[in-house]
Amino acid sequence: GAGVSQSPSNKVTEKGKDVELRCDPISGHTALYWYRQSLGQGLEFLIYFQGNSAPDKSGLPSDRFSAERTGGSVSTLTIQRTQQEDSAVYLCASSSTVNQPQHFGDGTRLSIL
Amino acid sequence: QQQVKQSPQSLIVQKGGISIINCAYENTAFDYFPWYQQFPGKGPALLIAIRPDVSEKKEGRFTISFNKSAKQFSLHIMDSQPGDSATYFCAAINPGTYKYIFGTGTRLKVLA
Repeated sequence: GAGVSQSPSNKVTEKGKDVELRCDPISGHTALYWYRQSLGQGLEFLIYFQGNSAPDKSGLPSDRFSAERTGGSVSTLTIQRTQQEDSAVYLCASSSTVNQPQHFGDGTRLSIL
Repeated sequence: QQQVKQSPQSLIVQKGGISIINCAYENTAFDYFPWYQQFPGKGPALLIAIRPDVSEKKEGRFTISFNKSAKQFSLHIMDSQPGDSATYFCAAINPGTYKYIFGTGTRLKVLA
């Protein structure tokens, strides 16, 4: 596609439910990144993929968070047993390879009731 | 050592004025310094970027000044326009970890 696509754009769910966020990177981009942005805050790195492997998962806040990437393209970020502190905008970015400029999607705004 | 410190937190500039946002870093391994512009409800968009082998880069009204010895870099927006009102983030990349370290952002408002 022309840009990074994320879905859904908004998600409201009840505390304790599981959610899946999807990222479709720019075609041909091998590197994919997930960030979290809390209201009025900067970007918090979560995880990145080079191809289908995730060399650095150090930013995942807890074991309730996981991510996968299949076919070197689409990635899903899963949050299990959601908590209110998980409410944030989850941003995905891709780059042609690591150390190249990252291009962001518009994010998924997650609200936990 | 992994932080990028950004200032000011917010900035108000008159139309036609110069907006200046500053960032400082500690890790000399950082080798790529992009600036991102973010409008409400949108993802950050790459604005301009510089590598440490040059001291200045200009693209239209946007200029990055880079001071390697001081470990500082700044974004200058010349002839600021109301449409420039957005949040600006500086970042640095560590080539060893491939991670972007983002500054905390500057909310710019340009008055008409």
